[in-house]
Amino acid sequence: KAGVTQTPRYLIKTRGQQVTLSCSPISGHRSVSWYQQTPGQGLQFLFEYFSETQRNKGNFPGRFSGRQFSNSRSEMNVSTLELGDSALYLCASSLAVAGAGDTQYFGPGTRLTVL
Amino acid sequence: AQSVSQHNHHVILSEAASLELGCNYSYGGTVNLFWYVQYPGQHLQLLLKYFSGDPLVKGIKGFEAEFIKSKFSFNLRKPSVQWSDTAEYFCAVNRDKLSFGAGTTVTVRA
Repeated sequence: KAGVTQTPRYLIKTRGQQVTLSCSPISGHRSVSWYQQTPGQGLQFLFEYFSETQRNKGNFPGRFSGRQFSNSRSEMNVSTLELGDSALYLCASSLAVAGAGDTQYFGPGTRLTVL
Repeated sequence: AQSVSQHNHHVILSEAASLELGCNYSYGGTVNLFWYVQYPGQHLQLLLKYFSGDPLVKGIKGFEAEFIKSKFSFNLRKPSVQWSDTAEYFCAVNRDKLSFGAGTTVTVRA
């Protein structure tokens, strides 16, 4: 069974631009969660989608948004990029919602650099 | 606020030494507990998890962890490390979302 895939793997953007990252979950998984990983803040939860609905949201500004499609693929968007948005963005999928305690499986991440 | 604390930021040991990484959480009630590992250049992988039952859980690559409810702890152990265990280790707690500790970098010297 294929794992979680994320595209693109690397991105370089400039301040003020916007970016869209994509995540394809493991086949059959309906929950997709997004995390931001930085050396200073560690792994921080962004949001979770299940059956095309946002189920939970972390403490990030409204510039960070996401959506999920009927095939469970998910995208996250960051508008008006800031230097501090440079990070590794991780996507994780699971069968059930995170609150059910199901194991989350992580993708390789998208490395975003904002110049 | 809910939090997950990992006691050590960086641990350096020699091959064959024993490893124990501490993890404490501040959530009340029922939680699901995980240890993930991130090898250099690789993505996060599940080492082991605790949902219920026997508080001593065994994972991959000889790792085990013990859940002590009264201490809100979920410490990771390995009796004898190898050079290939060099990685970053994350403790995580799941209530309505997965919350991670800051991570512990483990360097094993050959």
